[in-house]
Amino acid sequence: DVKVTQSSRYLVKRTGEKVFLECVQDMDHENMFWYRQDPGLGLRLIYFSYDVKMKEKGDIPEGYSVSREKKERFSLILESASTNQTSMYLCASTRDTDQPQHFGDGTRLSIL
Amino acid sequence: QKEVEQDPGPLSVPEGAIVSLNCTYSNSAFQYFMWYRQYSRKGPELLMYTYSSGNKEDGRFTAQVDKSSKYISLFIRDSQPSDSATYLCAMSAAGTASKLTFGTGTRLQVTL
Repeated sequence: DVKVTQSSRYLVKRTGEKVFLECVQDMDHENMFWYRQDPGLGLRLIYFSYDVKMKEKGDIPEGYSVSREKKERFSLILESASTNQTSMYLCASTRDTDQPQHFGDGTRLSIL
Repeated sequence: QKEVEQDPGPLSVPEGAIVSLNCTYSNSAFQYFMWYRQYSRKGPELLMYTYSSGNKEDGRFTAQVDKSSKYISLFIRDSQPSDSATYLCAMSAAGTASKLTFGTGTRLQVTL
């Protein structure tokens, strides 16, 4: 089975802090994704990566950056956290364009 | 108007009932269709994945895609309390290695 692991289930940070969310997958998938999930808005794509050191903006990249130094790891960075970034963050991965995305269990981030 | 519309519910049914969950969409380029189940405080778990039109069955679950009507459905037969969760539809035009567009989810409650 595909395993997508997000390093923290719950995280509380203060406004202005730099925040790192980590995601690791164990199936040698090329493609990895970061979404945020908010009530009434569903899942929205922040960034995705189709290869090491490659990244593409999603629908809502403002205030975020990403890093993919190794194939199995994809990091989401909040450069200067703000309260409107309080959300559930979900990481996903897939091998091919015709295989479904598999998700981790999410990080519930609160910015105070 | 959202690209994918999904009734948020909640939908409450008795155990053993047949459940019908639906999504409508506006983008005729969508070809890849998925249903995910999400339990509280967990990540989305893939239930069904179909390409283009038609039906797909897996145990108690049946997914239907009607591209002419831009309408997809998930049927759950003999519903169980363990089916109580939020169900998300997702779809893509260019394959699953790129952006998925999600519905906001339907919350289902199966009662004893």
